[in-house]
Amino acid sequence: QQQVKQSPQSLIVQKGGISIINCAYENTAFDYFPWYQQFPGKGPALLIAIRPDVSEKKEGRFTISFNKSAKQFSLHIMDSQPGDSATYFCAARSGGSTLGRLYFGRGTQLTVWP
Amino acid sequence: ETGVTQTPRHLVMGMTNKKSLKCEQHLGHNAMYWYKQSAKKPLELMFVYSLEERVENNSVPSRFSPECPNSSHLFLHLHTLQPEDSALYLCASSQLRTGGLGTQYFGPGTRLTVL
Repeated sequence: QQQVKQSPQSLIVQKGGISIINCAYENTAFDYFPWYQQFPGKGPALLIAIRPDVSEKKEGRFTISFNKSAKQFSLHIMDSQPGDSATYFCAARSGGSTLGRLYFGRGTQLTVWP
Repeated sequence: ETGVTQTPRHLVMGMTNKKSLKCEQHLGHNAMYWYKQSAKKPLELMFVYSLEERVENNSVPSRFSPECPNSSHLFLHLHTLQPEDSALYLCASSQLRTGGLGTQYFGPGTRLTVL
């Protein structure tokens, strides 16, 4: 059973547009929700993260929206740029785990056309 | 060197070979992880080491054998692999502490191809 469901699998956006990636989870024990960005040939890199006690977090052009009651969270990339073309993974950490165990979504391949 | 490094970056091996993947973290972290990344699948956690002690093994076949000689180094020993083991193997590290986020930092991965 997949703990974190991510959609869409791929996304094509025009330069300057808004990219939106959605994730959903079932486990209410999750207490930390990071997003990772992965470029070809590189490992995933932490992009932005949120805790469930806030509904939104913004860092530059990247915003996480969090809906605790719906158990959903999303990544919004404003003014998308070709350099944002990468694979994005949402993840969730089990609050009961002292090991920082993360459950990842399947990833979204974002392509931003110039 | 900074962050998390992995060697080799690419590896091609036959099913009867024995090879090892190496990971080194330069962040002073106390936990290290091995993940497997296959196409169209979520990252799969394979092993977790906390303070050099293996604390999690997610039903990984015995043909994968991890080793953590100290808090900065992690190895994944491979033997008699199958073609379906071809994937990107990622190492990560984090600093685990009570109440902390334990953010995981990933290395660039080793692209493994089993012939």
